[in-house]
Amino acid sequence: QSALTQPASVSGSPGQSITISCTGTSSDVGSYNLVSWYQQHPGKAPKLMIYEVSKRPSGVSNRFSGSKSGNTASLTISGLQAEDEGVYYCCSYAGSSIVVFGGGTKLTVL
Amino acid sequence: QVQLVQSGAEVKKPGASVKVSCKASGYTFIAYYMHWVRQAPGQGLEWMGRINPNSGGTNYAQRFQGRVTMTRDTSISTAYMELNRLTSDDTAVYYCARDHYYDSSGYGIFDYWGQGTLVTVSS
Repeated sequence: QSALTQPASVSGSPGQSITISCTGTSSDVGSYNLVSWYQQHPGKAPKLMIYEVSKRPSGVSNRFSGSKSGNTASLTISGLQAEDEGVYYCCSYAGSSIVVFGGGTKLTVL
Repeated sequence: QVQLVQSGAEVKKPGASVKVSCKASGYTFIAYYMHWVRQAPGQGLEWMGRINPNSGGTNYAQRFQGRVTMTRDTSISTAYMELNRLTSDDTAVYYCARDHYYDSSGYGIFDYWGQGTLVTVSS
């Protein structure tokens, strides 16, 4: 099972919006609405930001949103803030009791 | 509140085994799948496998098949991950992570994470 494909890095200025893509296949992202996104700060455990493609857990800012089209899922962060800087990972169920992560995208707030 | 507390850092020699524990509290342990995820230094997250704490049933990522064993002790709400035949490539932080879905199939949405356990493999 191959990892999902994410851009290595994205950047944006405070107040702007950015979008991170996550490309899988018809066996994972394309087949299941079980895509999630995690934020990780240095030295910390990941934090769930989006699940089931577009749902936000309680306590996560509504500046974070998710979507999916075909085999590609996307995370959009609007109104960028300095605290949004970190690494973002997508994740998808891939059937047959297997889960796969993306390689991670480093977000820099300029 | 839900908490996952992992055992402390380990240093192992190549060829040895390591067993990491993850003690859960604040919820019904047997009702949620537990997953294990690792992260090598400077690298991304890698899913290793999952255990159904109710039945003890497990599923492992193909690359760890035959080398990893996930178990649980329901009497103390603790999950374990044992990795054998360690090499330097196994140097990583190992996380346990609870699945989001109650009494369901462990689809890999991780709502609570342990603090991580650093395993260093060095001769």
